[in-house]
Amino acid sequence: GAVVSQHPSWVICKSGTSVKIECRSLDFQATTMFWYRQFPKQSLMLMATSNEGSKATYEQGVEKDKFLINHASLTLSTLTVTSAHPEDSSFYICSARVVGYQYEQYFGPGTRLTVT
Amino acid sequence: QKEVEQDPGPLSVPEGAIVSLNCTYSNSAFQYFMWYRQYSRKGPELLMYTYSSGNKEDGRFTAQVDKSSKYISLFIRDSQPSDSATYLCALLETSYDKVIFGPGTSLSVIP
Repeated sequence: GAVVSQHPSWVICKSGTSVKIECRSLDFQATTMFWYRQFPKQSLMLMATSNEGSKATYEQGVEKDKFLINHASLTLSTLTVTSAHPEDSSFYICSARVVGYQYEQYFGPGTRLTVT
Repeated sequence: QKEVEQDPGPLSVPEGAIVSLNCTYSNSAFQYFMWYRQYSRKGPELLMYTYSSGNKEDGRFTAQVDKSSKYISLFIRDSQPSDSATYLCALLETSYDKVIFGPGTSLSVIP
């Protein structure tokens, strides 16, 4: 199956700092990538849809100035959590969609963010 | 009414049992039906997808879709401890272009 990587897998940062998370599709091109947030024992919450070469589309209630998304190439999307606060602590997961196959979406291993 | 409903469990079965996981949905426009498996602290893994009503088999896994009842199932035969995970159903309406995930069912297979 297709492989998606995320880096870092785990990060601790201080309140007020920014953190960047990278999502890469390793063996396929992905014009569309998705960013999710997941709280313990809860399902995935879609934050935004990232399209290569264009601005991300954010879900209702997600602050676009706080969660900056850049999709600069067909294999890389980044999520930057700006001015992080403890309430931003969560598990962030990206996924990449295979070009031409809307149902075929592969997930990265996730990044656990802890803001102290 | 939520778009996709799924019994959160936890579901606990003995090794070798047949497991039945289910989702119901409300939007008849969904066209693709997927099942993902998520181990603790990992990203979800795509197990199977189906496009229409009926059954699809892949090894020990069988996905079943009944569009008339808006009901989908995943059956696991000869369950193994390594099957212990959370299983999420996911549905796609191509015109909406977003996958909607169920809340997931936590499964434990006891040796």
